[in-house]
Amino acid sequence: DGGITQSPKYLFRKEGQNVTLSCEQNLNHDAMYWYRQDPGQGLRLIYYSQIVNDFQKGDIAEGYSVSREKKESFPLTVTSAQKNPTAFYLCATDRGSNQPQHFGDGTRLSIL
Amino acid sequence: GQQVMQIPQYQHVQEGEDFTTYCNSSTTLSNIQWYKQRPGGHPVFLIQLVKSGEVKKQKRLTFQFGEAKKNSSLHITATQTTDVGTYFCAVNTGNQFYFGTGTSLTVIP
Repeated sequence: DGGITQSPKYLFRKEGQNVTLSCEQNLNHDAMYWYRQDPGQGLRLIYYSQIVNDFQKGDIAEGYSVSREKKESFPLTVTSAQKNPTAFYLCATDRGSNQPQHFGDGTRLSIL
Repeated sequence: GQQVMQIPQYQHVQEGEDFTTYCNSSTTLSNIQWYKQRPGGHPVFLIQLVKSGEVKKQKRLTFQFGEAKKNSSLHITATQTTDVGTYFCAVNTGNQFYFGTGTSLTVIP
């Protein structure tokens, strides 16, 4: 959706390396989310943040970390502890509970 | 976490045929949302259903929310090649969204 920028579009990770995926939004939405999408498994929630300086684990947070220092930014770090990081990562925002989610274009992460 | 079962996982139809995907939950839902993801793209919000038995239409798409608010369906009449993609239902528990596994629709011209 316009207003949510994810970068890079493609990312390659070497063994033992941490990589950071960027998500920036200018929609002034309070809530931001990170999802992982694997073929045939839909979207699974990694982390979410309802407010600056606060975030919560989703169902598959192990091997990932996030920060929310600014309302506009919610970067996701895929650490070396995540043994199977190859996936499509989607960042989303919304205005609050029960509101539609808006998605960025995603980042495709692969292992070298 | 919240379980949302979506069927079928895949559906191939001839252009002009109808298509339906179903979402089922074991618990009563406060609302349900539907999204469409084109191949290579990101999910895009289609609609939200809130009321028991609610039916909403968007051109050839008809969305229903069950009377018990535990299931929902999306029906496309006379599919077109532009309908290709994966359709997801999603439920919100207040803080989190839980997405169904999606139904991937292929339309054969």
